[in-house]
Amino acid sequence: DVKVTQSSRYLVKRTGEKVFLECVQDMDHENMFWYRQDPGLGLRLIYFSYDVKMKEKGDIPEGYSVSREKKERFSLILESASTNQTSMYLCASSAPGQGNSPLHFGNGTRLTVT
Amino acid sequence: DQQVKQNSPSLSVQEGRISILNCDYTNSMFDYFLWYKKYPAEGPTFLISISSIKDKNEDGRFTVFLNKSAKHLSLHIVPSQPGDSAVYFCAATMNSGYSTLTFGKGTMLLVSP
Repeated sequence: DVKVTQSSRYLVKRTGEKVFLECVQDMDHENMFWYRQDPGLGLRLIYFSYDVKMKEKGDIPEGYSVSREKKERFSLILESASTNQTSMYLCASSAPGQGNSPLHFGNGTRLTVT
Repeated sequence: DQQVKQNSPSLSVQEGRISILNCDYTNSMFDYFLWYKKYPAEGPTFLISISSIKDKNEDGRFTVFLNKSAKHLSLHIVPSQPGDSAVYFCAATMNSGYSTLTFGKGTMLLVSP
């Protein structure tokens, strides 16, 4: 079974802090994604990566950056956390190829910014 | 502009009955559709998918129907069980190149005993 592991289940940070959310997958997937889930808004794509050192902006990249130095690890960075970034963050990976490859999600990191 | 719409935020069904979750899309370029299920405090898990070349796909108690002319798909769960209570997300993509998934806002299903 594919395992996508997010390093923290819960995080509480202060406004202005730099925040790192880490994600590791163990299935040698080329594709990795970061989503946030908010009530009434569903899942929104922040950033994704189809290869090491490659990144693409999703629908809501503002205030975020990412890093993919190794194939199995995809990090989401909040450069200066703000209260509107309080959310559930979900990392996912998928096999290479076309868009129909199902995503495998981690269990999420619930981030609270105070 | 919301390209994938789940217009019912919630649905309540009795155990043993059929649950029907609906999803509409606006982008005619979408040609592959997926349903994900999410329990609280867990990530979404893939449930079932359908290609636009089909109008039905079945997997056990779960069936997805696609009506391309209406740009509508539905997920049927028969019979519904209390363990099916979760949020269900509809997603769509273009089955070519590096296309990403576009998700709906989700429908919370509650199956009562």
